[in-house]
Amino acid sequence: QKEVEQNSGPLSVPEGAIASLNCTYSDRVSQSFFWYRQYSGKSPELIMSIYSNGDKEDGRFTAQLNKASQYVSLLIRDSQPSDSATYLCAVNPLSGGYQKVTFGTGTKLQVIP
Amino acid sequence: SQTIHQWPATLVQPVGSPLSLECTVEGTSNPNLYWYRQAAGRGLQLLFYSIGIDQISSEVPQNLSASRPQDRQFILSSKKLLLSDSGFYLCAWRQGRTYEQYFGPGTRLTVT
Repeated sequence: QKEVEQNSGPLSVPEGAIASLNCTYSDRVSQSFFWYRQYSGKSPELIMSIYSNGDKEDGRFTAQLNKASQYVSLLIRDSQPSDSATYLCAVNPLSGGYQKVTFGTGTKLQVIP
Repeated sequence: SQTIHQWPATLVQPVGSPLSLECTVEGTSNPNLYWYRQAAGRGLQLLFYSIGIDQISSEVPQNLSASRPQDRQFILSSKKLLLSDSGFYLCAWRQGRTYEQYFGPGTRLTVT
């Protein structure tokens, strides 16, 4: 079982719709969770971090964490073509201390104009 | 504000040649530094991380090495490149007890 799993996609949504990206993780005692956006040919950019169960909102982005289900998601409201990118989920496992995070392989999002 | 630089941006090297990639961070002191590799269509693989000068941990045994000669400088090296070393090399930094990592622009290496 992979430590962090994501559907590779592509996930296609029409412009203006809500895009829902999902991630599961295997280390039950993981403490910190991150979403990065990576445009083609570019480096990952941190867009959200979440540490507690529930929702965290930042502009059009909402991160949702359910530690009991070992599940973290990212919702993008009013999706724009500029949101088309690969979204990487990252998890800080307790075994890694605070030095390391483990990345999923990413979900490719395509927003159709 | 903090800035992270990597160079070169792109590199094409023949098999068996040496490699030196450099990463520097500005606007912070005593950062944790990381080297990752992202192969085409693959996830991010942690290669090395460093919590201080000359303190480096290797995550994956291979023909690469890392050094940290100064607080804000991290270097990735190889004596002889393999075809399998091709990929997108990313340097990242983290400050103190925060968990967030921030990436540099990356170096795209093609070994021919």
